[in-house]
Amino acid sequence: DAGITQSPRHKVTETGTPVTLRCHQTENHRYMYWYRQDPGHGLRLIHYSYGVKDTDKGEVSDGYSVSRSKTEDFLLTLESATSSQTSVYFCAISVPGARTNGYTFGSGTRLTVV
Amino acid sequence: SQQGEEDPQALSIQEGENATMNCSYKTSINNLQWYRQNSGRGLVHLILIRSNEREKHSGRLRVTLDTSKKSSSLLITASRAADTASYFCATDLNTGGFKTIFGAGTRLFVKA
Repeated sequence: DAGITQSPRHKVTETGTPVTLRCHQTENHRYMYWYRQDPGHGLRLIHYSYGVKDTDKGEVSDGYSVSRSKTEDFLLTLESATSSQTSVYFCAISVPGARTNGYTFGSGTRLTVV
Repeated sequence: SQQGEEDPQALSIQEGENATMNCSYKTSINNLQWYRQNSGRGLVHLILIRSNEREKHSGRLRVTLDTSKKSSSLLITASRAADTASYFCATDLNTGGFKTIFGAGTRLFVKA
């Protein structure tokens, strides 16, 4: 997807280990988001950022932390991975508010916690 | 129902037929968006309709919004096998802060 890349695309990790997912954008957007997608739940917001070092929690933030030291990078860390965090994780960018044209999503990271 | 709930959950049609998907929501919104997701990929933004609009078109897509019924519909005309995907509505809530809610999606299968 143009302008936004996620890494890794796939990861298998063991319960209790820390995991960091990376989102990189080239659009210079202020707003970046991390969502998880699970069957039957649609997308649920984990954390979002509205600028460098400015982040806030979403609806399912427990067990996750984020960091944004540069406009282009937004990192999601699972501090101690659990099986319930097995999911597909999507990063997104947007121009929010009245000027929004919706979100641009990355291709996703499929995370399996065993 | 949940905010941004799509109906039906799954839809199977023949190529050339029209596909209609519906989205219902519960609270006041700024706008409503529709996305497509192909298997194993990220969501792709299709169309955004603002709360003061009633209908929008984009190619073979037609979206309607009825704020009195808190519902929206996405119509894909003359469907193609390549339209096979999941379709999600997302509601941007009128809460004064950040809040966009995604529904669980409608799975569309177009048979060639």
